[in-house]
Amino acid sequence: DGGITQSPKYLFRKEGQNVTLSCEQNLNHDAMYWYRQDPGQGLRLIYYSQIVNDFQKGDIAEGYSVSREKKESFPLTVTSAQKNPTAFYLCASSAVRRREDEQYFGPGTRLTVT
Amino acid sequence: AQKITQTQPGMFVQEKEAVTLDCTYDTSDQSYGLFWYKQPSSGEMIFLIYQGSYDEQNATEGRYSLNFQKARKSANLVISASQLGDSAMYFCAMREGPMEYGNKLVFGAGTILRVKS
Repeated sequence: DGGITQSPKYLFRKEGQNVTLSCEQNLNHDAMYWYRQDPGQGLRLIYYSQIVNDFQKGDIAEGYSVSREKKESFPLTVTSAQKNPTAFYLCASSAVRRREDEQYFGPGTRLTVT
Repeated sequence: AQKITQTQPGMFVQEKEAVTLDCTYDTSDQSYGLFWYKQPSSGEMIFLIYQGSYDEQNATEGRYSLNFQKARKSANLVISASQLGDSAMYFCAMREGPMEYGNKLVFGAGTILRVKS
């Protein structure tokens, strides 16, 4: 079955620690994305990558970092510089061949930092 | 300025009736696309329907249809014959510009839909 996996589903960290969220896709998509969702709000773009070894900042990149060393993988690191990291994080991927190519989402990771 | 505006924080609909979820957008691009996603309480995002700015016909996918009014910059989602399983958060999103800029989306704040039996 093709899809996107994110692990773990729930993650707890102490303030001041960096934490890495994993995202893997086997859909052979070129583009991958990371979004953050706060309670009762929409999704905000953190980073995106259209091709291996290249990525761009989204609207709220401060305090986050990413890498794209393989087509299938796009891990997100939440650094200690992120002032309010507790949120629901969603990874997505898409083809970029047609205008109507939708983004496919993973199940998300709920990060709690105390 | 908000790119995507969903003015209805919450909506109720009776089972088997139709419901319209509003979405207005702001862009100066001629080429753009509008997407609707459903997010159940589990958190996953489920793609529902797409409308391109150059599409002359309103998009339809099963019980979902899009009321696309380009001059008004609105792309309202219509769900016909509501079911209890339609209870979820619904997001409108927009992709702007040519494909070379990627497929990144801007999302609205969402509308919570509750279907009553």
